Amino acid sequence: DQQVKQNSPSLSVQEGRISILNCDYTNSMFDYFLWYKKYPAEGPTFLISISSIKDKNEDGRFTVFLNKSAKHLSLHIVPSQPGDSAVYFCAASATVTLNFGKGTSLLVTP
Amino acid sequence: ETGVTQTPRHLVMGMTNKKSLKCEQHLGHNAMYWYKQSAKKPLELMFVYNFKEQTENNSVPSRFSPECPNSSHLFLHLHTLQPEDSALYLCASSQDARDNTIYFGEGSWLTVV
Repeated sequence: DQQVKQNSPSLSVQEGRISILNCDYTNSMFDYFLWYKKYPAEGPTFLISISSIKDKNEDGRFTVFLNKSAKHLSLHIVPSQPGDSAVYFCAASATVTLNFGKGTSLLVTP
Repeated sequence: ETGVTQTPRHLVMGMTNKKSLKCEQHLGHNAMYWYKQSAKKPLELMFVYNFKEQTENNSVPSRFSPECPNSSHLFLHLHTLQPEDSALYLCASSQDARDNTIYFGEGSWLTVV
């Protein structure tokens, strides 16, 4: 039973434009959400997080939006850069266990 | 440079072999984790250790045996694995098991033949 879903396996965006990666979850008990970025042959790297008491968290070019009523979060990257090309994992937790989505592969083209 | 290092990076083993994966973290964390990443599947949590004590075993078959001798080291002992166990095994750590910001190693690619 997959509680965190990333329905787009891949996304292609032109350099300089906005990348929007989406994530949906089913467990209303989740109260902490994270995004991880993964390059080939490397482990995931923590990118940004948000707790359920907020609806937006911003860090440089990265902004995460949380819509609790829709059980949806999104990661915005603006402007997108070729170095952002990677797989992005959404994760959510209610207690200790992190529940990960399958990932979305982002390709930023020059 | 990652604060969590895993060895070996690549391992090929037969179904009757016994091997171990090693993980070491240099972040002063107290919680360590093993995750399994298979193709087209979400990351799966296998084991959690908090202050050297195993706090979670996510219904992992007994052919996977973890060992945590201290807060900085974590092993995954492998015995009589199946080809479907071939995957990327990721070690991770966090300040403690309540801290959801976890840091991953680069992973160990395991192929069972």
